[in-house]
This record gives sequence, C-alpha cells and structure tokens, in this order.
Amino acid sequence: KAGVTQTPRYLIKTRGQQVTLSCSPISGHRSVSWYQQTPGQGLQFLFEYFSETQRNKGNFPGRFSGRQFSNSRSEMNVSTLELGDSALYLCASSLMVRGGETQYFGPGTRLLVL
Amino acid sequence: AQSVTQLGSHVSVSEGALVLLRCNYSSSVPPYLFWYVQYPNQGLQLLLKYTSAATLVKGINGFEAEFKKSETSFHLTKPSAHMSDAAEYFCAVTNTGGFKTIFGAGTRLFVKA
Repeated sequence: KAGVTQTPRYLIKTRGQQVTLSCSPISGHRSVSWYQQTPGQGLQFLFEYFSETQRNKGNFPGRFSGRQFSNSRSEMNVSTLELGDSALYLCASSLMVRGGETQYFGPGTRLLVL
Repeated sequence: AQSVTQLGSHVSVSEGALVLLRCNYSSSVPPYLFWYVQYPNQGLQLLLKYTSAATLVKGINGFEAEFKKSETSFHLTKPSAHMSDAAEYFCAVTNTGGFKTIFGAGTRLFVKA
C-alpha cells in the first residue's frame, strides 16, 4: 500500500505570495491532518479534515486554510506569505473514525519564504 | 486542555547503554499517548502508542514505554542503544473525543560510539 505523498517536496516563495501544498493520503483513509514544524515552535497542529469537512482547527491565522476533496486528497493554502511561515509542513492520514487512531505521516513539504 | 512536556531537548548516550526519554502529559480525560521518531529530512514514524489496553507498550526497534497514570508519565526506553537510533523523538497526546494531536517539543537523541 502506498504511503502518504506530499507535493511539492521543496518550495521557495517570496513574502506576500501565496502557496498551495498537496497531500494524498493512504488509500482508504478519510482523515487528513496538517502540521507545521519549525525549530522554534516545534510541531503545531493546523487542521484536520474528515470526509471533506474540517473537524478541528489549530491556533493559526486565517491566512492558513485547507480543503479536502471527495477522493480524500487534501490541499493546504497559505496566503500573503510571511518570513515566519518558513517551515516543514507535514501531512498525516488516518482512518480516524475515533480519536487516537494511528496517523501516518508524509515526508513533508519544506517551504522557504524569502 | 491537553499538553505534553518532554524533559531534555538533547540526550546523549553511548552505544549499548540504556535509552530513557521522558514525557509527561496533561489531560482532563483518558488520553491516547504516542511516541514518534523523526530522522533527518523525513516525516514522523510511529514507534508505539498507548490506548489503555496495557500500561506497558512495546513498539518497533526494541523501544517500549510505560503509562503511569499516577505520575502522568509515558517515558520511552530501550535497553541498548544503537547508532541507528540517533534521531529526534516526539511524545504526543490526543483523546477519545477529539482528533487533534498535541506534540511535545521533541528530544534529540545522540548515540556515541
């Protein structure tokens, strides 16, 4: 079974631009979660989608948004990029019918904002 | 609110020595607890998880962790460190009612030859 895939793997943008990251979950998984990882703040939860609905949201500004498609693929968008948005963005998929189920992580997209 | 505290941002052990990575959690409801490992430039890989079935949980690569409710701890151990264990380790918590995982700050493990 193929793992979680994230595209692109690396991205360079400039301040003020917007970016869209993509995540394809493991086949059959309907839950997709997004995390931001930085050296200063560590791993922070962005949001979680299940069956095209956002079920949970972390404490990030409205510039961070996401969506999930009917095939469970998910996209994350960041508008008006700031230098502080430079990070590794990780996507995780899970069956997540109930809390506490195992999440499987992709390799991440490393975003650099100049 | 849930939280996770990992004691020690860096831990250094000699090859063959005991590995002990500490994790304390805070949760108002029975938690699910996880340990993940992250190798450089990779995503996170699940080592083990506690789901209330047994307090001593065995994971991959010889790691295990013991859930101690009275101490609100979930420390990760391995009897004998290998060079390949050098990585960053994250403790995480979630609960039965939610689908939001809270991670600790991580502990980087160094293994000396």
